Amino acid sequence: DIQMTQSPSTLSVSVGDRVTISCRASQSIGSWLAWYQQKPGKAPKLLIYRASTLESGVPSRFSGSGSGTEFTLTISSLQPDDFAIYYCQHSKSYFRTFGQGTKVEIK
Amino acid sequence: EVQLVESGGGLVQPGGSLRLSCEASGFTFSNYWMSWVRQAPGKGLEWVANINQDGSDKYYVDSVKGRFTLSRDNARNSLYLQMNSLRVEDTAVYYCAREKQFLEYLLYGTKTSYCGMDVWGQGTTVTVSS
Repeated sequence: DIQMTQSPSTLSVSVGDRVTISCRASQSIGSWLAWYQQKPGKAPKLLIYRASTLESGVPSRFSGSGSGTEFTLTISSLQPDDFAIYYCQHSKSYFRTFGQGTKVEIK
Repeated sequence: EVQLVESGGGLVQPGGSLRLSCEASGFTFSNYWMSWVRQAPGKGLEWVANINQDGSDKYYVDSVKGRFTLSRDNARNSLYLQMNSLRVEDTAVYYCAREKQFLEYLLYGTKTSYCGMDVWGQGTTVTVSS
């Protein structure tokens, strides 16, 4: 099975900061990667699919990059609404593994 | 409005059974792969299982194989997760989710591909405890 590893586990940041979250796959997954945002008590929200395609309605400050085994989610200028947990997830095989999550918290 | 609504969660003793349901509306349910994802208290997301459009292909995470069975009824726009031999570690919020499909433009034509989950239910809570 393909394992997904995110880093860091926690990010302490301020409004306006540029935020970068990494996700590494245990084997090449091409561009078959999605990113989600989850807030407490809520279902996850799809932000990016196919590694870099922004889901409809998602602000353009979110972007994704990478291919193969190394991927990045970037928030260009963090807004108050962006404090949440972010997850990556692959779709290379039918067994859709998630990363362990990265919590973006207020510094 | 595109919507998924889960039901069927509750408190059950170890070794017991539960059947979760997920009712879809606002889209053509029979056109989509569907997944169940769970989240244990204070933990991250764990993909549990998925099923193709006509129910002929199903995949499960190793920890639930042989205990959980995924099915769907396209006439009722519904997805089901039969959970048997439940364990304390199955305690979680269970979400059903629609797998996002998009067209890939290839040299020889187009292909429907899947990446991510674009519609989620509100979740139903399963607690396994004596």
